[in-house]
Amino acid sequence: EAGVAQSPRYKIIEKRQSVAFWCNPISGHATLYWYQQILGQGPKLLIQFQNNGVVDDSQLPKDRFSAERLKGVDSTLKIQPAKLEDSAVYLCASSPIFSGELFFGEGSRLTVL
Amino acid sequence: GENVEQHPSTLSVQEGDSAVIKCTYSDSASNYFPWYKQELGKGPQLIIDIRSNVGEKKDQRIAVTLNKTAKHFSLHITETQPEDSAVYFCAAPTYGGSQGNLIFGKGTKLSVKP
Repeated sequence: EAGVAQSPRYKIIEKRQSVAFWCNPISGHATLYWYQQILGQGPKLLIQFQNNGVVDDSQLPKDRFSAERLKGVDSTLKIQPAKLEDSAVYLCASSPIFSGELFFGEGSRLTVL
Repeated sequence: GENVEQHPSTLSVQEGDSAVIKCTYSDSASNYFPWYKQELGKGPQLIIDIRSNVGEKKDQRIAVTLNKTAKHFSLHITETQPEDSAVYFCAAPTYGGSQGNLIFGKGTKLSVKP
């Protein structure tokens, strides 16, 4: 079974530029999450989708971050404009509906200079 | 919402020794407690979880114990091996219960010395 796919794996941008990350969850998983992991910390939830609807985006900085999950499968996370403090690994995870287990991708590492 | 505290932040053991990592949580409505292992450059991976209807769960060399009264749960790794070296995270449901998104502890970096 293929795992959660993310791209790009690494991205370096200057502050105030924009960036987009893509995630393809495990086939059949209804729930998709984006987490932000700053170096030395645990993952922090940004947004949770169930199918193509948003379940929880209470911690998403909506002035600069946006995410969508069209057709309830792939998802993109965009940051515009980026700030230095956005430097982190952006982890996508998926889970079957009514399951507690999260399956994570390898993450996209963002460096903002 | 839930709050999870994890200790210690770093742990170094000799190969063959045991390692214990402890977490506390705040929301008495939480009843699902997973542990994730994250190797360098990879995403976290579930290694064991426990639900509140049991006090202990084992899977080969790893075990998790839960004390609902005290609101804490622990990960125990016995006969540690170098490949156990990684960062370990405890977690709990952000809004209590047993499903939904997770809030993670800050992690414990475990180093197993050969």
